[in-house]
Amino acid sequence: EAGVAQSPRYKIIEKRQSVAFWCNPISGHATLYWYQQILGQGPKLLIQFQNNGVVDDSQLPKDRFSAERLKGVDSTLKIQPAKLEDSAVYLCASSLGLWFTSGAPSYEQYFGPGTRLTVT
Amino acid sequence: KQEVTQIPAALSVPEGENLVLNCSFTDSAIYNLQWFRQDPGKGLTSLLLIQSSQREQTSGRLNASLDKSSGRSTLYIAASQPGDSATYLCAVLSGFGNEKLTFGTGTRLTIIP
Repeated sequence: EAGVAQSPRYKIIEKRQSVAFWCNPISGHATLYWYQQILGQGPKLLIQFQNNGVVDDSQLPKDRFSAERLKGVDSTLKIQPAKLEDSAVYLCASSLGLWFTSGAPSYEQYFGPGTRLTVT
Repeated sequence: KQEVTQIPAALSVPEGENLVLNCSFTDSAIYNLQWFRQDPGKGLTSLLLIQSSQREQTSGRLNASLDKSSGRSTLYIAASQPGDSATYLCAVLSGFGNEKLTFGTGTRLTIIP
């Protein structure tokens, strides 16, 4: 099966410019996640979608970041205007959604290759 | 708030040796724990997922253990190979009603031929 697709793979912009990233999840996966991974750190969840609705965007800097998932399939993440500290790898992941096994919730996320953003 | 720590941050070992990577978490009320591998410039690949009711999972040369009560997990890699060189990330799923995956900062592993 095809994995999670992301584009572009690399992007270099100047501060105050705008940038957009695209993600196409695995077919049939209802849940989609955007993570930010700063060099030397673990990924941090920015936003989580269930179909086309937002489940969690508590760590999304809403003054400059926005995301949408029209039609519940692919998604775009936008930064406007970019700051130097936005330099990071932006990872998209998808999962079938939260499901239960043996009475306990569980899910497995599948990650795309990421987009490396450099803000100068 | 869940916090995940991985020690050491970097590790170099000669090829063929067995090695252990450590992960600890502050809130033991987790649903499961995952170990991921990340190659430079690439995304994350899931290696093993351990449910909270399980003690360990095995896949090939990899064995992951979970001690939920003490907030610890280990990833054991047997007979290491140069191809095992990568960053290994531990992540826990927790948060009743708002389940979230919290990642550690990773261990960068280098296998010396």
